Amino acid sequence: QLQLQESGPGLVKPSETLSLTCTVSGGSISGSNFYWGWIRQSPGEGLEWIATTSYKGAAYYNPSLKSRVTISVDTSKNQFSLKLSSVTAADTAVYSCTRDDSYGPGYWGQGTLVTVSS
Amino acid sequence: DVVMTQSPLSLPVTLGQPASISCRSSQSLVYSDGYTYLSWYQRRPGQSPRRLIYKVSNRDSGVPDRFSGSGSGTDFTLKISRVEAEDAGVYYCMQATYWPPYIFGQGTKLEIK
Repeated sequence: QLQLQESGPGLVKPSETLSLTCTVSGGSISGSNFYWGWIRQSPGEGLEWIATTSYKGAAYYNPSLKSRVTISVDTSKNQFSLKLSSVTAADTAVYSCTRDDSYGPGYWGQGTLVTVSS
Repeated sequence: DVVMTQSPLSLPVTLGQPASISCRSSQSLVYSDGYTYLSWYQRRPGQSPRRLIYKVSNRDSGVPDRFSGSGSGTDFTLKISRVEAEDAGVYYCMQATYWPPYIFGQGTKLEIK
């Protein structure tokens, strides 16, 4: 059974870089027709797509975050990662990793809360 | 960017009764291939979102048939034929026609009366 597990610091200081990793188990991240992505939800807010990558590293970013976001993939570890630089309190959110198919995010991890605070 | 607008934002429903959620897009969601990439997601309390419907009316694997999606162009609807207790949560529509980016509606909170 496919599982996506987010990991990373739960607390990040303002102006620093948020780094998260999603570990995929129960399936291979490579050699498939799926893409891999990140979505966040700030407290009391809606869902915001952040970025998506193929296992070959083709990356797609939300224009509103593009200048601060990097998504990458490590097929040897069956993982993909997110980096968000120059964070502020507005970046406090639950970050979820997803497996995307032709129609969008079809499978989600449980999500991890990241708080930006000094 | 296309804007997705859901209504109502809060939906109290009695067990066993039907429920309906509307989603409207600011632009037609028909893609150049003729398909419409509109999905519905359910987020139960304490759980990660689960996709229920893709391409307007196709149920994902394991989704009960009491859930149905319909619509075309800019107007879409998610219907639950008979609400069960486990259906409580927040429902989101999402467009993928103009990806990137994916854009979600604001969410509709379904509560059991």
